[in-house]
Amino acid sequence: EDKVVQSPLSLVVHEGDTVTLNCSYEVTNFRSLLWYKQEKKAPTFLFMLTSSGIEKKSGRLSSILDKKELFSILNITATQTGDSAVYLCAGLTQGGSEKLVFGKGTKLTVNP
Amino acid sequence: NAGVTQTPKFRVLKTGQSMTLLCAQDMNHEYMYWYRQDPGMGLRLIHYSVGEGTTAKGEVPDGYNVSRLKKQNFLLGLESAAPSQTSVYFCASSNGHLAGQETQYFGPGTRLLVL
Repeated sequence: EDKVVQSPLSLVVHEGDTVTLNCSYEVTNFRSLLWYKQEKKAPTFLFMLTSSGIEKKSGRLSSILDKKELFSILNITATQTGDSAVYLCAGLTQGGSEKLVFGKGTKLTVNP
Repeated sequence: NAGVTQTPKFRVLKTGQSMTLLCAQDMNHEYMYWYRQDPGMGLRLIHYSVGEGTTAKGEVPDGYNVSRLKKQNFLLGLESAAPSQTSVYFCASSNGHLAGQETQYFGPGTRLLVL
């Protein structure tokens, strides 16, 4: 059975801190690993990682994939209160359906 | 571009009632998906479609039916609602058949309460 596990499930930090969110996966026909940010409503796309060892960056956020060890991390530097959200990690399968298998998410709270 | 839209935004049903949730996308995406999100459970795939006229079961399909009569629309039906179907439902779409375009884009969600 496909499985994606995120840790920690919840994290509280102060503004300016750096955080690392973890995601491990066991997904058959694995193609890519995706990160989403979910505030009040719909998940919004952050990154899609397909190749191992290549860091993707967007402002203060960065992410990397290790396909040998089957995990990914999402880093957020100099956190701001606007970073407070649930961060979702999902494994993308290939083979005609391209389904996403989601983890339960990490709830990040950034206090001023 | 409206992206992915869902109607209704919120609905209350009594046990045994039926309803249909509508998802529409204007991005000409081939693939569409229905998920449910429950506290502590993450997003779970109910049904999906890889093209007009096709549907397939996901992880938690029981109690739901779907139809994709038009490429831009994906309907999720509950024939006889149960309290266990109280959840937030998200629709998503992608062009997953094209390499590099597998990212799924989500609608704003429908909150359903079954009493």
